[in-house]
Amino acid sequence: EDKVVQSPLSLVVHEGDTVTLNCSYEVTNFRSLLWYKQEKKAPTFLFMLTSSGIEKKSGRLSSILDKKELFSILNITATQTGDSAVYLCALRNAGGTSYGKLTFGQGTILTVHP
Amino acid sequence: NAGVMQNPRHLVRRRGQEARLRCSPMKGHSHVYWYRQLPEEGLKFMVYLQKENIIDESGMPKERFSAEFPKEGPSILRIQQVVRGDSAAYFCASSPGPWDRLNNEQFFGPGTRLTVL
Repeated sequence: EDKVVQSPLSLVVHEGDTVTLNCSYEVTNFRSLLWYKQEKKAPTFLFMLTSSGIEKKSGRLSSILDKKELFSILNITATQTGDSAVYLCALRNAGGTSYGKLTFGQGTILTVHP
Repeated sequence: NAGVMQNPRHLVRRRGQEARLRCSPMKGHSHVYWYRQLPEEGLKFMVYLQKENIIDESGMPKERFSAEFPKEGPSILRIQQVVRGDSAAYFCASSPGPWDRLNNEQFFGPGTRLTVL
């Protein structure tokens, strides 16, 4: 069974700090890894990663995937209070009829204090 | 282009009643996924549907839960004879077809928060 583990489970920082969120996984047939941000409502899509070593970047957020070591990191620089949310990592399997579903990690709760 | 719509946003049911949760995918999307988020837990896959077909229901409880995505109208997640343990947030997501497109990300709706008294 596919497995996604995120760490840390929660993180408290001050505005301006840089944070690194981790996601490790076990999968039988890798398709892609996705990051979402959830703020008490619908998860909103951040990144989809399919290839190792290629950094995806969007403003202060960036993410990279290591398919050899089976992990991904999400970096947020110069954090702001609006970054406070649960960050979810999800794995998409490519095999059989499971190609549609996402397997989510338990999430990292990020709290950014002013 | 409206996003994924779910209704109701909040639903309260007493034990033994039925709960019907609706999901209208984004325009042009024919793939729908249902996820459940229990308190203090991550999102768990339940079922994946295309129009009039259930593709993968490996995450659905064996009893009391059913889902459909008819040719016309929204996708429905139905929970019969609800119990307290069904209290959770139920999220629907949709994606454009076909399934093997590389950029086939899932867009999530706002969720329905079900409370069973």
